[in-house]
Amino acid sequence: AQSVTQPDIHITVSEGASLELRCNYSYGATPYLFWYVQSPGQGLQLLLKYFSGDTLVQGIKGFEAEFKRSQSSFNLRKPSVHWSDAAEYFCAVVDTGGFKTIFGAGTRLFVKA
Amino acid sequence: DARVTQTPRHKVTEMGQEVTMRCQPILGHNTVFWYRQTMMQGLELLAYFRNRAPLDDSGMPKDRFSAEMPDATLATLKIQPSEPRDSAVYFCASGLPLVGPQETQYFGPGTRLLVL
Repeated sequence: AQSVTQPDIHITVSEGASLELRCNYSYGATPYLFWYVQSPGQGLQLLLKYFSGDTLVQGIKGFEAEFKRSQSSFNLRKPSVHWSDAAEYFCAVVDTGGFKTIFGAGTRLFVKA
Repeated sequence: DARVTQTPRHKVTEMGQEVTMRCQPILGHNTVFWYRQTMMQGLELLAYFRNRAPLDDSGMPKDRFSAEMPDATLATLKIQPSEPRDSAVYFCASGLPLVGPQETQYFGPGTRLLVL
């Protein structure tokens, strides 16, 4: 069965510092991968997605993610974090049936001044 | 700016009462998902509809939960009778699959349910 692992439950970074959130997936074929962000009291919003092609994907709000098949990873990065980036981030993969999105447990990002 | 809307945003009820949550998907979207989010379980898929037909509701407790799409602009999730363990945030999401599996899901703001 497919699975998504986000090893870090929470991460704290200083404003202006770089950020990398880790995501590992388990899937036999080329996966469809997503990163979503959830601000407090809100629903999830798509940051970026990978289906095929260039393994470095650009998203909204200055985020990017890199698909590495050899490492089964799809880590999210941002070169300079803003206080407004404090939120919970979810990595997700679409299952073999093609419709069921499997979400990781999430990583909560704290940004300190 | 098209959005998924959910009502009510908050609901407090007593155990045993019926709860109905409503979702209006983005106009033109033909897939609708219901999720439940709790601290312990994270995001769980409860049900999935495509073109108003239920394709998967395996994540939903069948004895008390039901999900329907009376028309393309309305999806409902009902709990009867409700129990304290149903307390959670319930999200609706809609999407429009274009290439292969479903594309981006657009989430509503959620219904925060508390069952006393």
